[in-house]
Amino acid sequence: AQTVTQSQPEMSVQEAETVTLSCTYDTSESDYYLFWYKQPPSRQMILVIRQEAYKQQNATENRFSVNFQKAAKSFSLKISDSQLGDAAMYFCAYRAGNTPLVFGKGTRLSVIA
Amino acid sequence: NAGVTQTPKFRILKIGQSMTLQCTQDMNHNYMYWYRQDPGMGLKLIYYSVGAGITDKGEVPNGYNVSRSTTEDFPLRLELAAPSQTSVYFCASSYSPLKTGELFFGEGSRLTVL
Repeated sequence: AQTVTQSQPEMSVQEAETVTLSCTYDTSESDYYLFWYKQPPSRQMILVIRQEAYKQQNATENRFSVNFQKAAKSFSLKISDSQLGDAAMYFCAYRAGNTPLVFGKGTRLSVIA
Repeated sequence: NAGVTQTPKFRILKIGQSMTLQCTQDMNHNYMYWYRQDPGMGLKLIYYSVGAGITDKGEVPNGYNVSRSTTEDFPLRLELAAPSQTSVYFCASSYSPLKTGELFFGEGSRLTVL
């Protein structure tokens, strides 16, 4: 079974600084999707960024970017110029074929003013 | 465009009561899912459906039932509620994984069983 591991239960970052959240996964598939979702206190699950495994180029969405290392099965999220509104739980997730999304346990990010 | 709509948003149940969490989506997605999120934890899959008339168990199906009679609706039924079912429940939907893979989530339903 596929598993997703987020080894950092909590992280903190100073406002305007950069932070990296780690994620590793276990799979025998060659084609799959990886995601980072943000869950603010409102509980809404918000897609931050998506990476297709067949694409070598790392995905970027404004201040959010990923470092996708397929051989190492690593998928970290970098948040640049951190803002107070970035404070939330961040979940790494994996999906292959027709299987449902598998989530990690999450990293709680605090942003210090 | 409403997306994924869940009702109710909050509910308190007594042990042994039953209830149905409603979920509907207007994006014509074939795939629908129910997850639960316990405090401080990630999301665990309860049931999912790849199309009308087709449902399958996820990681934690015990104590729940689902049905999928239409593409739009995917209700989750709790029979004989137990304190262990106190959680936040999320319904989600998606296109075929061959298109984008991402899930679209409802706002969640907080259920407390006392």
